[in-house]
Amino acid sequence: LAKTTQPISMDSYEGQEVNITCSHNNIATNDYITWYQQFPSQGPRFIIQGYKTKVTNEVASLFIPADRKSSTLSLPRVSLSDTAVYYCLVGEGKNTGFQKLVFGTGTRLLVSP
Amino acid sequence: NAGVTQTPKFQVLKTGQSMTLQCAQDMNHEYMSWYRQDPGMGLRLIHYSVGAGITDQGEVPNGYNVSRSTTEDFPLRLLSAAPSQTSVYFCASSPGRQNSPLHFGNGTRLTVT
Repeated sequence: LAKTTQPISMDSYEGQEVNITCSHNNIATNDYITWYQQFPSQGPRFIIQGYKTKVTNEVASLFIPADRKSSTLSLPRVSLSDTAVYYCLVGEGKNTGFQKLVFGTGTRLLVSP
Repeated sequence: NAGVTQTPKFQVLKTGQSMTLQCAQDMNHEYMSWYRQDPGMGLRLIHYSVGAGITDQGEVPNGYNVSRSTTEDFPLRLLSAAPSQTSVYFCASSPGRQNSPLHFGNGTRLTVT
């Protein structure tokens, strides 16, 4: 299973851009990188997924360098409601396409006024 | 559109009691899984299933049983509850296609005294 390493916590202020980097040195060729967000007392929810280069959606951007051994989740102009735990996942691909996804401890982002 | 439904939301058990945590999804997803989340920690995979009749162990399977008789349901059984199983339990599902994001329920908070 590809293991991921993220910072335990980060602090920011409203309106700033936040970049959370995840290390995944043993990522496999078929693996994608997926980020989830979790608020207290809720299950995680999907934010963004990518394989290489850059992916952008209405919520975030994901930057993946050519060697794919790390990735960076970028949250533009954060607000108080972005305070949450962010998880980086790298899946274990199997022949059926099924993924056995293992979560790390995540990064706890605190956004202050 | 209910998504992933977990019941009950809260449960208190005495040591040695048994119970079943229910998980149902209405999205016709092939893949379902159970995670536990302890205070201040990430999610740990307990068991997962790639389809009806097929289950497999995750990171922390001891003390838990699962079965998958239908596509919709994936119950988690505690045969003899222990205080170490006090946790929040999350069920998740996905279409099972490679790199499909997980959809999570809102969790069951279990306390074993």
